[in-house]
Amino acid sequence: AQSVTQLDSQVPVFEEAPVELRCNYSSSVSVYLFWYVQYPNQGLQLLLKYLSGSTLVESINGFEAEFNKSQTSFHLRKPSVHISDTAEYFCAVSARDDKIIFGKGTRLHILP
Amino acid sequence: DTGVSQDPRHKITKRGQNVTFRCDPISEHNRLYWYRQTLGQGPEFLTYFQNEAQLEKSRLLSDRFSAERPKGSFSTLEIQRTEQGDSAMYLCASSLSRQGLYEQYFGPGTRLTVT
Repeated sequence: AQSVTQLDSQVPVFEEAPVELRCNYSSSVSVYLFWYVQYPNQGLQLLLKYLSGSTLVESINGFEAEFNKSQTSFHLRKPSVHISDTAEYFCAVSARDDKIIFGKGTRLHILP
Repeated sequence: DTGVSQDPRHKITKRGQNVTFRCDPISEHNRLYWYRQTLGQGPEFLTYFQNEAQLEKSRLLSDRFSAERPKGSFSTLEIQRTEQGDSAMYLCASSLSRQGLYEQYFGPGTRLTVT
C-alpha cells in the first residue's frame, strides 16, 4: 500500500518570493508521483508528474519537483510565485497504472 | 474532446433519499475512477472500472454505494439512503491504460449536500 504525507497544511508566501511545498511518500513498490493543483472553484488539474527518467520534472508555469528515492520525497518548488498561484496543491502517488493516493493538500496563500 | 464531464454539478438531498451521479469519460479512455473529497482533505479512492468490469472497490464504499459502467463508456454512482456523512465532492477521472500514456484526467465533480 502507498501513502502520502504533505507536511504543511498552509503555506503563506509573499509575491515574487520562492516557495517549497513538501511531500513525502511511502511505498513497497515502484511508483509514479504527481502534483495536482486545485484553483478556487475549479477541478483538479495535473501540474506535473514523475514516471521515470530524469528525477527533476517541470511544469509549464514555472513549478518543478524533484524525485528523491532515498528520502522518499517529491517536493514542489517555484523560484518566484505570482498571485495567480493561489490554490490548493495535492501531492499524489500511484503504483503503476493504478488508483491514485492523494495527500491532504497544502493551501498556498500568496501575500501582496 | 471536451474532457471528463459530470452531472449534476450540485445536488442537495434530504437524508434517506437516493441519489445518482453520472460521469462521461474522455471517449477513448478505457479506465474510469471514482473518488470522494471532503472539506480539507485530498480525494479518496472509491472504485474503478476497466471497460465495463469493476476491478477494485475501496472499503470506503459501503453497501449503500453502487457503481456501474454498463457499456464501458459512461458510469453512474448511486448512493442509497443518504446520510449526512455522505456530503462531499464526488470526482470522476478517466485514463487510457497503455504503457507510457498513463495519466488520470479529472472531471469538475458533483457536490452532494445531504440535509
